[in-house]
Order: sequence, then structure tokens, then C-alpha cells
Amino acid sequence: TQLLEQSPQFLSIQEGENLTVYCNSSSVFSSLQWYRQEPGEGPVLLVTVVTGGEVKKLKRLTFQFGDARKDSSLHITAAQTGDTGLYLCAGENFGNEKLTFGTGTRLTIIP
Amino acid sequence: DAGVTQSPTHLIKTRGQHVTLRCSPISGHKSVSWYQQVLGQGPQFIFQYYEKEERGRGNFPDRFSARQFPNYSSELNVNALLLGDSALYLCASLKGGEANEQFFGPGTRLTVL
Repeated sequence: TQLLEQSPQFLSIQEGENLTVYCNSSSVFSSLQWYRQEPGEGPVLLVTVVTGGEVKKLKRLTFQFGDARKDSSLHITAAQTGDTGLYLCAGENFGNEKLTFGTGTRLTIIP
Repeated sequence: DAGVTQSPTHLIKTRGQHVTLRCSPISGHKSVSWYQQVLGQGPQFIFQYYEKEERGRGNFPDRFSARQFPNYSSELNVNALLLGDSALYLCASLKGGEANEQFFGPGTRLTVL
């Protein structure tokens, strides 16, 4: 069974601070996706990383895929209250479109 | 363009009953996946369908079944409901391509009493 562990599980920081969320596994994935989910809604795709070592930036969000394609990180610069939500990483396996989701990081940005 | 739609949005059932949840994918998408998200956890894969054929099944009991119709919409059926089936049921529409990005609907919140 493939598992994706996210850390921290909960994070509460002041507006304007920086933060990093980690997604780790002992398994290799062909790609990794990051989602943000608001209460009562489905996850919304933020980014997909495919190549080991890949870095993608989405405004204040920076996503990195580990060289071995087993882990990923999400860094947010100058957090805003609108960044509040549940952040989920999800790995896709070679030849299998099933997504394995991480345990989630619940982020709260305090004004 | 409409995104992924799911119905109903909320549902309350009692133990032993059955339930049918419905999903319509994004126009042009031929593949649908179903996930169960228990409160406080990440979604767990239940089924994937492509062109009406089952392509994958997660670790769920036979009480869970699904099908996909010629218009690519899908139904998830759960029989003999248990309290532990209470969850948000998510449907994802697959884009395809190099990295299979999945676009999720708003989900159906099922409560089993």
C-alpha cells in the first residue's frame, strides 16, 4: 500500500509569514499533484509536477518535486487569509490513473 | 463551460438502506473517478471508469458499485449502508494527457444515521 504523509497536519500562522508544507512517501510516483480544498467543496487542483527536481511557481506558491519523485513541498510566501484551507498532495502511479492522496495539511492564516 | 456536477449535494440515510449518487463529468472528458473522503482525512480512491469500462477499483467492499453511461455520466451505488459510510463522496473528471489531472466536483455529503 502506498502512503503519502503530509506535515504538519495543522498549521496556524500570522498573515504575511512564510510557510512550507511537506509531502513524503517511500514510493515513487509518476507525477504529483497539489490541491486546496475549502469546507464543503471538492479539492481544486493547484499544480502538477512530473519531472524529478521540478520546481513550479504559482504567484506566491512554489512547488517542488523531489529528485527521486518520492516527495514534494509547497512553500507559500507572505501568506494571506485567502490561503486558508486544506492542502492535499496526491500521487499518480505509472500506468494507473488512481490518485493516492496524502493525509492533508489544514492551514489557517490569522489576520 | 460547466464543471463537474454531482447530485444530490446532501443526503441522510439510515443503516441498511442503499444510496445512489450521480456525477456528470466536464464536457469532452470520458473518464470518471469516485473517491470517499471521511472527515479529517484525504480522499480514498473507490472506482475509475473510462468509456463505460471499470479501469480501477480501490479497497472497498462489494457493497460499493458503480457504472458509467454512454454520455459519460456515472452513478455510485452503496448497499446496506453502515455508519462508517458517512463521508463526502467526490467525483473527479479526468482530462487525460501526460499527467492525468483530475477535476473534482463539489461532492455529495452522505450522513448515515
